[in-house]
Amino acid sequence: LAKTTQPISMDSYEGQEVNITCSHNNIATNDYITWYQQFPSQGPRFIIQGYKTKVTNEVASLFIPADRKSSTLSLPRVSLSDTAVYYCLGWNRDDKIIFGKGTRLHILP
Amino acid sequence: GAVVSQHPSRVICKSGTSVKIECRSLDFQATTMFWYRQFPKKSLMLMATSNEGSKATYEQGVEKDKFLINHASLTLSTLTVTSAHPEDSSFYICSARIGDDTEAFFGQGTRLTVV
Repeated sequence: LAKTTQPISMDSYEGQEVNITCSHNNIATNDYITWYQQFPSQGPRFIIQGYKTKVTNEVASLFIPADRKSSTLSLPRVSLSDTAVYYCLGWNRDDKIIFGKGTRLHILP
Repeated sequence: GAVVSQHPSRVICKSGTSVKIECRSLDFQATTMFWYRQFPKKSLMLMATSNEGSKATYEQGVEKDKFLINHASLTLSTLTVTSAHPEDSSFYICSARIGDDTEAFFGQGTRLTVV
């Protein structure tokens, strides 16, 4: 289970691309990097998961450098509805799922 | 993705009573489920890990006699808050993992208010 560090908060404007970087220096060989989104009074929602290089889905892209000590979640052309808390986790099938403090993203009009 | 359903979504109970929260995996079998509580503007705090057919593993500082967890089937885990007090008021969230997969899916959460 990797200890993760993210910025506490970020602001951006509608239509911009937002990149949130997460540091996980002690990531283990069998850890995957997973990002979740959480709106107030809702459970976290899975966004994307990757092991290395780049992963893209209909919602976001995840960039993981070769050393895997960090990862960057990229949200293209954000809207007001993307205002939420984003959590980065590094874990594997043998782990408990422990959340860090997350990044509170605020999208401005 | 897979669906995890929690019930109820909101509950208000009197101090001293017990409340049961259900967590169901609707379209998959979950060998492992996790229970969390979350205070306002804070992150999720893991309370316990439950494996089907065995006793739950509680995190340090979580009273197992107060927060009873039962994972009787591959699709259902329950959390019972016994003798609830106002300080137990919180947002409780469950999560379920598909077998040995590295994806976990979360319920919509249960807002418990103890008055």
